[in-house]
Amino acid sequence: DTGVSQDPRHKITKRGQNVTFRCDPISEHNRLYWYRQTLGQGPEFLTYFQNEAQLEKSRLLSDRFSAERPKGSFSTLEIQRTEQGDSAMYLCASSLVASRAETQYFGPGTRLLVL
Amino acid sequence: TQLLEQSPQFLSIQEGENLTVYCNSSSVFSSLQWYRQEPGEGPVLLVTVVTGGEVKKLKRLTFQFGDARKDSSLHITAAQPGDTGLYLCAGYTGKLIFGQGTTLQVKP
Repeated sequence: DTGVSQDPRHKITKRGQNVTFRCDPISEHNRLYWYRQTLGQGPEFLTYFQNEAQLEKSRLLSDRFSAERPKGSFSTLEIQRTEQGDSAMYLCASSLVASRAETQYFGPGTRLLVL
Repeated sequence: TQLLEQSPQFLSIQEGENLTVYCNSSSVFSSLQWYRQEPGEGPVLLVTVVTGGEVKKLKRLTFQFGDARKDSSLHITAAQPGDTGLYLCAGYTGKLIFGQGTTLQVKP
């Protein structure tokens, strides 16, 4: 298995445009997470799925953001009407559910720049 | 709101020096993880600590989980330029809560 992959790795867009990112998790993992990270800061949780169900969404996730995981495998994160403040690294991670600990494996991220 | 405070936020040292990074919270976590992240890449897991008071060693890196499971530390002995990166602690309570990270620069 090649790990978590994300596409594209980089995206430059103009303010007001819509963008969509894709994440392919490790195949046997049932949980998938989306995070946002700005330069020099830790990742901030956005949302997560267990199989195809979206179980939690952060208050950071405005109504311009939507995430899907239609078949419990890959996931997409769409940002509508992008704003300059959306510029960040968007990270995806996947894991197997555990009890006291959960090892999340991160993808390389998609770096978004909104002009 | 659960918060993890990391200190220091930035550290620049010479090769061969020792350093300690701290991760503190008022919340109890069932486990705590340390990640290392290089520019333009995703975080890579270094270690998971689960038991209060637990100490784990990974070559020159020593990780400790506080007795009350609210804090942790990462100690690096004889730092090398290859240790340069962003070090992140993350507490687990059903989902991961990340600290703001410590940027380490090791100069040759």
